Formats: sequence, structure tokens, C-alpha cells
Amino acid sequence: DIQMTQSPSSLSASVGDRVTITCQASQDISNYLNWYQQKPGKAPKLLIYDASNLETGVPSRFSGSGSGTDFTFTISSLQPEDIATYYCQQYDNLLLFGGGTKVEIK
Amino acid sequence: EVQLVQSGAEVKKPGESLKISCKGSGYSFTSYWIGWVRQMPGKGLEWMGIIYPGDSDTRYSPSFQGQVTISADKSISTAYLQWSSLKASDTAMYYCARPRRDGYTYDYWGQGTLVTVSS
Repeated sequence: DIQMTQSPSSLSASVGDRVTITCQASQDISNYLNWYQQKPGKAPKLLIYDASNLETGVPSRFSGSGSGTDFTFTISSLQPEDIATYYCQQYDNLLLFGGGTKVEIK
Repeated sequence: EVQLVQSGAEVKKPGESLKISCKGSGYSFTSYWIGWVRQMPGKGLEWMGIIYPGDSDTRYSPSFQGQVTISADKSISTAYLQWSSLKASDTAMYYCARPRRDGYTYDYWGQGTLVTVSS
């Protein structure tokens, strides 16, 4: 079974900081990886699909990269409205979410 | 506009049965998969399974196989998630979500149904 290791589990950063989250798959998943944002009390929202494609309407400060086993999600300049938990999701073999990264403002 | 509207919160006792629903609108219900995702209190997202309402093809995560049943009634554009005997550990928020045609990229989500199981 594929395992997804997302890190860190939480982080605290200042407004304007560059934030990076990583997701590592236990085996090659090509680019079959998506990133979601979940704000408290809300359903998840798709931000990045196929590892690096920005979903329509999502601000350009969000980006994704990687392929194979190592993936990165970046917020280039953290904004107060970006406070949320972020999840990676692989779909090479069925579907599996990473453990999530809670992003807070310092 | 694509919408997924889920049934309301439920409070049940251990051992009881339950069926929650997810009604799709604004698209061809029989042409897209619908999946279910569990989120236990304070925890992450867990994919449970998916159904294609057009032919009722259903796939389950190994973690949920045999624990729940996913079904759909295409005549009323509604998908269901059901339990035959609830446990306290089933207490969670449950989301339905519609993926793109790839079946795995979830771009539309329901508002969630909170299920509380307590004696």
C-alpha cells in the first residue's frame, strides 16, 4: 500500500513569509497528487491538481511542484486568510490523503 | 451550478443503523463518480470509497470495506452512506464530494454531515 508522509504537521509563520509543505510517497506516483485547503468548519477546497496545476480562481501565491515520490506545496507570501490545514492527496492507487499541515500566523 | 447537499446532523446510539444522503444537482448525476470522506474530530481526511451512479460501480478503501455501504439512487440524483450497526468510533463529519472525470480530483464538496454516536 502507498503511504503518504506530509510534513510538517503544523507550522507558524508571519504574514508575507514563504511557506513550504512537503509530501512524500512511499512509491512512485508520477504526478498523481493534489493539494487541498481546509478552513475550520468548512469542506476542503481543491487548490492544486496533478502536482503543479493551479485550480481556476485560486490565487497565484499558491503553487505545487514535484513528481515521483517527492512533492512540495508553497505559499509564496502568507496571507491572514491562508490560515487553514492543507492536505496532499495521491490517486495513483485508489486514493489517500496525507496527514495534513496546520498553518498558523505567528 | 454544481451543488452537493447533504442530509442533516444525526445523533445515534451504538448498535443503531443509519443512512445519510448527498443530493447532486447542476450536472449529469449519472456521469460522474461521487466519493465519501470521513473526518474524525480534530483529525485528518480519510477517503472511504466512491460510487459511479450510472452503473453503481463501487470501490472501497480497504480501511472501510465491510464497515459501510455506499449506494446511489440515480432517479433522485442522491448518493448514500450507510451503517448497519454504529459504533462510538463512527463519530465524525462525513463529506460527499464529486471528482472530475478522472474520478480522483475532488472539485465539488458537500457541506458535511456530522454523525454523533453516543450512549
